[in-house]
Amino acid sequence: DTEVTQTPKHLVMGMTNKKSLKCEQHMGHRAMYWYKQKAKKPPELMFVYSYEKLSINESVPSRFSPECPNSSLLNLHLHALQPEDSALYLCASSQPGQGISQPQHFGDGTRLSIL
Amino acid sequence: TQLLEQSPQFLSIQEGENLTVYCNSSSVFSSLQWYRQEPGEGPVLLVTVVTGGEVKKLKRLTFQFGDARKDSSLHITAAQPGDTGLYLCAGERYGGSQGNLIFGKGTKLSVKP
Repeated sequence: DTEVTQTPKHLVMGMTNKKSLKCEQHMGHRAMYWYKQKAKKPPELMFVYSYEKLSINESVPSRFSPECPNSSLLNLHLHALQPEDSALYLCASSQPGQGISQPQHFGDGTRLSIL
Repeated sequence: TQLLEQSPQFLSIQEGENLTVYCNSSSVFSSLQWYRQEPGEGPVLLVTVVTGGEVKKLKRLTFQFGDARKDSSLHITAAQPGDTGLYLCAGERYGGSQGNLIFGKGTKLSVKP
């Protein structure tokens, strides 16, 4: 069982819907990440939060809006998505780097399909 | 341009065979991590290598970090069907943003009984 929990596991939504993906970890990690993974491709970094502040935004379209309400939770709000946004969305957490990269622990992802 | 080149992309072998997966770059990395991902699941961390020349063993898996910290390899001895999965190397580029992991394209390994 993964220590990073993502809900829902599957989500089907229309292009006009608003939905949110949720991620939770209780390992005391203070860095959390959102990745997008298309089929047969590696994960691509979207956002990084460090100490609940957004530290990296990899030029992600504004229809994806991240939120980190506290050190254990990370949300990804979705609005007006396009069919090409269909993918596996992975959340990960780690300790902040402090000069050396820390291993990231991944959830099992939310499989998102846009109709 | 792919910053981390993984090879081979696909590998299908019989149970009991040995194999090596390579992860190469022209850039220096502060560390490299190896993950295994199975269908419908997130990547699971196998190992982190930090020091140039470092060798780490995890049962039948041996990981090596190149002396110059630009490349890494994963060697599996006597592969088992349970080793089947997508193997991903990922690194944080030296001097890059912390937490900005760069992934290789992965090696899809199939071990047939």
